[in-house]
Amino acid sequence: NAGVMQNPRHLVRRRGQEARLRCSPMKGHSHVYWYRQLPEEGLKFMVYLQKENIIDESGMPKERFSAEFPKEGPSILRIQQVVRGDSAAYFCASSRPPLGNQETQYFGPGTRLLVL
Amino acid sequence: AQTVTQSQPEMSVQEAETVTLSCTYDTSESNYYLFWYKQPPSRQMILVIRQEAYKQQNATENRFSVNFQKAAKSFSLKISDSQLGDTAMYFCAFMKHDGGGADGLTFGKGTHLIIQP
Repeated sequence: NAGVMQNPRHLVRRRGQEARLRCSPMKGHSHVYWYRQLPEEGLKFMVYLQKENIIDESGMPKERFSAEFPKEGPSILRIQQVVRGDSAAYFCASSRPPLGNQETQYFGPGTRLLVL
Repeated sequence: AQTVTQSQPEMSVQEAETVTLSCTYDTSESNYYLFWYKQPPSRQMILVIRQEAYKQQNATENRFSVNFQKAAKSFSLKISDSQLGDTAMYFCAFMKHDGGGADGLTFGKGTHLIIQP
């Protein structure tokens, strides 16, 4: 019973390049959440997606950041034209549909993005 | 908007002792969930315990238990018989639930717990 998978685990990019972070939810989970953790900080919510649908992107920066969760394949968090301030750990979490007590979010191991 | 406050940046106890981590939150929501997550040096986020706000009974999971005081908006975590493997960052988190769907988690800044041998 595989948990939430994220890849790559570590990603190094130069300023101006694009970063693509992937997340495969746990089996049976159809809801995906992305969080960002800056050094010495707690996690900050970025975006909440279901298959082919963005439910809440209130935590996502308006520019350069986008997320998708296609019908087939993993969820993708895309950061265009990265800047040094984008360096952080990006965590993906997944959950079952929020019915009854199914709301618990289970986290992946995170992707550490370093922008040089 | 919700806020979660963890007032203890770091705590250190001896192995086998009991330790309590504090968490307070602010919300106008009536239906919500509270969680404690653990982040060991591997940086993996691991769920420790969860509490539904509508339940008066405090949640327990083996050596981990919570003291949920809804009126005071307090949600502390007690770790009994602490072990070296409990050394980690501990994050308190809040999630509202409006009945139509779940929501993103709001996290506190964390408490770094160190268990000394």
